[in-house]
Amino acid sequence: EVQLVESGGGLVQPGRSLRLSCAASGFTFDDYAMHWVRQAPGKGLEWVSGISLNSGSIGYADSVKGRFTISRDNAKNSLYLQMNSLRADDTALYYCAKDLYGSGGYPNYWGQGTLVTVSS
Amino acid sequence: QLVLTQSPSASASLGASVKLTCTLSSGHNSYAIAWHQKQPETGPRFLMKVNSDGSHYKGDGIPDRFSGSSSGAERYLTISSLQSVDEADYYCQTWDTGTRVLFGGGTKLTVL
Repeated sequence: EVQLVESGGGLVQPGRSLRLSCAASGFTFDDYAMHWVRQAPGKGLEWVSGISLNSGSIGYADSVKGRFTISRDNAKNSLYLQMNSLRADDTALYYCAKDLYGSGGYPNYWGQGTLVTVSS
Repeated sequence: QLVLTQSPSASASLGASVKLTCTLSSGHNSYAIAWHQKQPETGPRFLMKVNSDGSHYKGDGIPDRFSGSSSGAERYLTISSLQSVDEADYYCQTWDTGTRVLFGGGTKLTVL
């Protein structure tokens, strides 16, 4: 059974940093691309970032480019999102998602999310 | 510019069928899309990937009541024999190497 468990969310002041983690199990982690997707309160789903199976291809939404960094550790079956210079509009539930493919854009399994609140 | 357009809301009666539509922007008729279900207090659930020829790949455990199809720039999700548990937000989503992953605005489905 595929399991994705996010952690690292919390309350943080504007301008500060936070690092999210996603622990994956139940599939061969290094065979698949991974994503971070967020949902702000009352809003729709917004893709944040994605990384291919070997980290050779990485992409970011324009809204986070230059502030967020995605990475993965295939030896630890883990996905990360380093979030710097956080802003109030980064407040959201952040989901980790597994892709259908090694390099693509079709999430087919999702975690339960970790809440990030940016507020002074 | 790649854009996915969904109606904000839809409704249908218990036991009936409903067809949700996702429209790709001009020039993107060949794109596949995926449908995801989002219920409150839980992570999204992948339903299926729908190709431009109407073929589709369903996620694990997705009931046969859910099906996908295509026509031109439109991609459809049909839910038959509607149940109260189907009340949720439904998002279509696509991908390309430039835009990366893109979601539609979502359709809130109400089961009457």
